[in-house]
Amino acid sequence: QQQVKQSPQSLIVQKGGIPIINCAYENTAFDYFPWYQQFPGKGPALLIAIRPDVSEKKEGRFTISFNKSAKQFSLHIMDSQPGDSATYFCAASRSGSARQLTFGSGTQLTVLP
Amino acid sequence: EAGVAQSPRYKIIEKRQSVAFWCNPISGHATLYWYQQILGQGPKLLIQFQNNGVVDDSQLPKDRFSAERLKGVDSTLKIQPAKLEDSAVYLCASSLSRTGAKTQYFGPGTRLLVL
Repeated sequence: QQQVKQSPQSLIVQKGGIPIINCAYENTAFDYFPWYQQFPGKGPALLIAIRPDVSEKKEGRFTISFNKSAKQFSLHIMDSQPGDSATYFCAASRSGSARQLTFGSGTQLTVLP
Repeated sequence: EAGVAQSPRYKIIEKRQSVAFWCNPISGHATLYWYQQILGQGPKLLIQFQNNGVVDDSQLPKDRFSAERLKGVDSTLKIQPAKLEDSAVYLCASSLSRTGAKTQYFGPGTRLLVL
């Protein structure tokens, strides 16, 4: 019930491409879905987050699409750049759980120049 | 504003030895988290503090792991005795409050290798 499944495990795209990372969850009590970006040797950093009352959220080149009925959400990176090469984690949390985050397993993205 | 500080950044020990990690959260952040991140996996919550009290330690292997947050600011995580499977990055994170601000800010982590 607490698991968040993330795919793919790794992804390689050319500069300018649009990588898409997908996550699925089971627990319908989840009400906050952030994406974190992690560079080697650094801690994860919040990239963008969405609540289930909206189907899409865009911040700069990063977009979250959310499908409540399918219990799925995805991250799209427009016009990807080599500097976007990092590991991306989706996560979920619910109110009443002290806002604990349950993380996906991560996607290692490589953007080729 | 200064970020979450952690030390040491790297530690190599032999199994059955003990080790301690230190975390200094962002000033004013009431909630502090310790996560374990095994290579190739997402962070897994070990323990959560609200000020100097424990909110949740259900995922903490209490036979070998302990943590404290004296005075509601800095925190230490200890492993005694360490096992090979404890090799991981230990991340500390903080947030402004338990239920209000949702954003968790992570430190750079301590990479532990148990030989």
